Amino acid sequence: DIQMTQSPSSLSASVGDRVTITCRASQSISSYLNWYQQKPGKAPKLLIYAASSLQSGVPSRFSGSGSGTDFTLTISSLQPEDFATYYCQQSYSTPGFGPGTKVDIK
Amino acid sequence: EVQLVESGGGLVKPGGSLRLSCAASGFTFSNAWMSWVRQAPGKGLEWVGRIKSKTDGGTTDYAAPVKGRFTISRDDSKNTLYLQMNSLKTEDTAVYYCTTGNNDYYYYYMDVWGKGTTVTVSS
Repeated sequence: DIQMTQSPSSLSASVGDRVTITCRASQSISSYLNWYQQKPGKAPKLLIYAASSLQSGVPSRFSGSGSGTDFTLTISSLQPEDFATYYCQQSYSTPGFGPGTKVDIK
Repeated sequence: EVQLVESGGGLVKPGGSLRLSCAASGFTFSNAWMSWVRQAPGKGLEWVGRIKSKTDGGTTDYAAPVKGRFTISRDDSKNTLYLQMNSLKTEDTAVYYCTTGNNDYYYYYMDVWGKGTTVTVSS
């Protein structure tokens, strides 16, 4: 099984900050990596697919990069509605999620 | 409007069974690959399993913790996805989400989610 890790597990940031979240796979997964945002009590929302493709309707301040084993999700200027938990998900084998990164208000 | 609505959650004793349903609308259900994803209280997301469209073989995949206990099926005539859960354990307690997304094994992402249904396994 492919193991996914994320760092940090949580972070505190201010509105306007640039935020970077890292996701690492236990083996190469090419670019088969997706990112989701989840707010408390809500279903997850797809942000980025295929490592760097922005899902329709998602603000351009979100971007993804990476391939192989190391990936990043970047929020260029954090907005109040971005405080949430972010998950990566690999699709190289049977799908699996990372443990999540919680972004809260500093 | 594309919509997924789960139902069937509830309280069940360890060792018991439960069947969840997911009613789909707003898209061609018969062409869709469908998945179940769950989230235990205060925990992260866990993919449970997937069923492909019949035109893509209708095959199923499952996560290791549920393999042999859970079965995913579909009724394309009713636009409904099912999750039959047997031999339930306390660790199966979670919100269960129905999802759909891209019909590709490698570029598989989930862009439509239901609101979830809660399953509690407790004596």
